[in-house]
Amino acid sequence: EAGVVQSPRYKIIEKKQPVAFWCNPISGHNTLYWYRQNLGQGPELLIRYENEEAVDDSQLPKDRFSAERLKGVDSTLKIQPAELGDSAVYLCASSSSGQGPANYGYTFGSGTRLTVV
Amino acid sequence: KQEVTQIPAALSVPEGENLVLNCSFTDSAIYNLQWFRQDPGKGLTSLLLIQSSQREQTSGRLNASLDKSSGRSTLYIAASQPGDSATYLCAVRTGSGNTGKLIFGQGTTLQVKP
Repeated sequence: EAGVVQSPRYKIIEKKQPVAFWCNPISGHNTLYWYRQNLGQGPELLIRYENEEAVDDSQLPKDRFSAERLKGVDSTLKIQPAELGDSAVYLCASSSSGQGPANYGYTFGSGTRLTVV
Repeated sequence: KQEVTQIPAALSVPEGENLVLNCSFTDSAIYNLQWFRQDPGKGLTSLLLIQSSQREQTSGRLNASLDKSSGRSTLYIAASQPGDSATYLCAVRTGSGNTGKLIFGQGTTLQVKP
């Protein structure tokens, strides 16, 4: 089974430029998360989707960040315009809502490392 | 507000030692707790998931315990190997069912010397 797939793996952009990240969750996982991880810190949630609905975006900087999850599967996270402080690793994760002790555990992708110069 | 703390921030041990990583959380109303491993420049790999009703989980040389009432979890690594060198992250899930979110600690960076 393929895990959570993210692209690109690395991105270097100049400040004020736009950037987009893509995530393909595990098949059948209805919940999708975007996290941001600053250097030396644990990841922090940006937005959570239940199917195609964003149910928690309280920590998403909405003036410059946007996200979508069309058809409740793949998701994109966009930053426009990017600032120097946006340099971080952007992680996508998914989880299922089925029964059993293994469920509700998160599976993370490899992340996209963004550097804004 | 739930806060997760991991101690120590960094740890260096010789190969073969048994070691314990600590995680504490301020609100005992958690749904589950998950330990992750993160290699430099990589994403997170799930190691162990403990549901709130469970006390511990084991996988190979890893054992994780959970004491909800005291807000603590430990990750025990037996007979450490250089390949165990990585950052270990503890995360608690708030909310029940498919609601809530993972709140992470800052991680413990482990170095196992040959």
